Amino acid sequence: GENVEQHPSTLSVQEGDSAVIKCTYSDSASNYFPWYKQELGKGPQLIIDIRSNVGEKKDQRIAVTLNKTAKHFSLHITETQPEDSAVYFCAASPWDYKLSFGAGTTVTVRA
Amino acid sequence: DAGVIQSPRHEVTEMGQEVTLRCKPISGHNSLFWYRQTMMRGLELLIYFNNNVPIDDSGMPEDRFSAKMPNASFSTLKIQPSEPRDSAVYFCASSLPRFLAHDNEQFFGPGTRLTVL
Repeated sequence: GENVEQHPSTLSVQEGDSAVIKCTYSDSASNYFPWYKQELGKGPQLIIDIRSNVGEKKDQRIAVTLNKTAKHFSLHITETQPEDSAVYFCAASPWDYKLSFGAGTTVTVRA
Repeated sequence: DAGVIQSPRHEVTEMGQEVTLRCKPISGHNSLFWYRQTMMRGLELLIYFNNNVPIDDSGMPEDRFSAKMPNASFSTLKIQPSEPRDSAVYFCASSLPRFLAHDNEQFFGPGTRLTVL
């Protein structure tokens, strides 16, 4: 099955700086890569996703890049704000129901 | 839209007791997922239903766990008997039919925090 590794496990950044989270996956059949944000006491919420026919996708301050050859994808958050503090999960799926999640990254934005 | 609804939000029970978690998916969604989240194992898929039919229950830990979806708007996850190692946050998620969605986005409920003493 799919194995997704996520780094780092914790990330502390100064407000206004950028944050980068990296994930690798093992199954070359995976072609859908979502990122979820989980705030304290809540369920994960999709913030951005990318499919394997696209190398990069951007939505305001967040962007995701995908390198299919190397089997890795990354989340970039620019101009971080206190409300960006949360746990972020990457996931991979071979375009079916099964999402395999990374272990999560706890992001803390220091004011 | 109320989103995915789960109840109870918190459950504390004693070892050996039966626990039933409930989920109401978003109206119009035909796929439903039960996940378990722990510090040690992260987010794990327990079972997946499509059109009320269990498609993949390979993530169900053992026979003490069972899930049902009697209709499109309700699902239960039952643990009988419960054990302390079942303590976790259990999430229900739902998604649109494939022909209506361009991706696999799953919408998560707020979760049920289960503590088994």
